[in-house]
Amino acid sequence: GQNIDQPTEMTATEGAIVQINCTYQTSGFNGLFWYQQHAGEAPTFLSYNVLDGLEEKGRFSSFLSRSKGYSYLLLKELQMKDSASYLCAVPRGDYKLSFGAGTTVTVRA
Amino acid sequence: SAVISQKPSRDICQRGTSLTIQCQVDSQVTMMFWYRQQPGQSLTLIATANQGSEATYESGFVIDKFPISRPNLTFSTLTVSNMSPEDSSIYLCSVEDPRTGVQETQYFGPGTRLLVL
Repeated sequence: GQNIDQPTEMTATEGAIVQINCTYQTSGFNGLFWYQQHAGEAPTFLSYNVLDGLEEKGRFSSFLSRSKGYSYLLLKELQMKDSASYLCAVPRGDYKLSFGAGTTVTVRA
Repeated sequence: SAVISQKPSRDICQRGTSLTIQCQVDSQVTMMFWYRQQPGQSLTLIATANQGSEATYESGFVIDKFPISRPNLTFSTLTVSNMSPEDSSIYLCSVEDPRTGVQETQYFGPGTRLLVL
């Protein structure tokens, strides 16, 4: 099975950088997803990593280390609209996903 | 990406009653998934619905409580039966999202917010 850990909450100031860590244990690795979920809305896909290293997409970047079972999502130049829950997820190998508990990021002015 | 609609968007129900949630997709998809998200919690997969076969339920979820239909490749329903206040949750359907080229990527519907009194 999968065991996925991420911090519950993080707070940061507008314009700052925040790094959301995710550690996972899985019997067969096939990539790692990050989703964003604003309060009261559905989760939306942010990124997918299957190889080690950093993938940059504008203000958001995602990093993966398969040997360490570790990923992070980096949010730069934080904006108020980035206040949301960020979910780390790993495939289970049967077209399904297992989600972490999510990290609620609050951006302060 | 696919356009997914869910009905109802929200409802308030009395305990002991049942509610059927509909999920409609604007394109044909093989796999549809039903999730529950309890207040302040992450997503928990209830079952996978494939057209032409019985739904596959996750541990802790049973067909008698959450019967699912999948009559065609664009539509599915989830029924929450004999509801109790513990069933108050957001129920989301999702489908494969081909944008990444990874089969496990999922695209979510807007959700149905259920409150059981």
